[in-house]
Amino acid sequence: TQLLEQSPQFLSIQEGENLTVYCNSSSVFSSLQWYRQEPGEGPVLLVTVVTGGEVKKLKRLTFQFGDARKDSSLHITAAQPGDTGLYLCAGAKSSYKLIFGSGTRLLVRP
Amino acid sequence: EAGVAQSPRYKIIEKRQSVAFWCNPISGHATLYWYQQILGQGPKLLIQFQNNGVVDDSQLPKDRFSAERLKGVDSTLKIQPAKLEDSAVYLCASSLGEGLEAFFGQGTRLTVV
Repeated sequence: TQLLEQSPQFLSIQEGENLTVYCNSSSVFSSLQWYRQEPGEGPVLLVTVVTGGEVKKLKRLTFQFGDARKDSSLHITAAQPGDTGLYLCAGAKSSYKLIFGSGTRLLVRP
Repeated sequence: EAGVAQSPRYKIIEKRQSVAFWCNPISGHATLYWYQQILGQGPKLLIQFQNNGVVDDSQLPKDRFSAERLKGVDSTLKIQPAKLEDSAVYLCASSLGEGLEAFFGQGTRLTVV
């Protein structure tokens, strides 16, 4: 059973399009992190959200933490080929385990 | 600042053989994680250390997997004996504390044939 479900699993879009990736759970998290992973490398942190309802922007990426701290979304505006990769959400619980979601594989075609 | 170091990068073994992976975390990081990542999936937590104590190993198949973190620094993960389904990338990560940003190594890609 996956504690954190991500959708969609795979997304193929044209350069310049917008997209949203979702991370959902029935559990409450003390914080939620988003990572990006490229082939042959480990995941690299993009952002951490802590407060329910929090919105953080990182250039063309917008991250939102749900009010109940059970879900999150990542929105990319005007996607570029360099955004291609595996996007992972990870939740930290009160037990301080860092649990990863199932991942969304994004392909941005030139 | 040096990152998380893992070795080897690649390993091919036959089923029923043994294998060990090594991880050197970022200096000063108290928390160390081992994850298993099967192709196309998110990383699955195998074991988490806080200094040299185990915080969580609920997902570690203890009949064949073992891990230790002597002196609260380097860590090794061992599989004995290996099965075909153990083929995956094994990622080591460290953080300053539990629940904080995790820094990952490049991983060890294990193929069991």
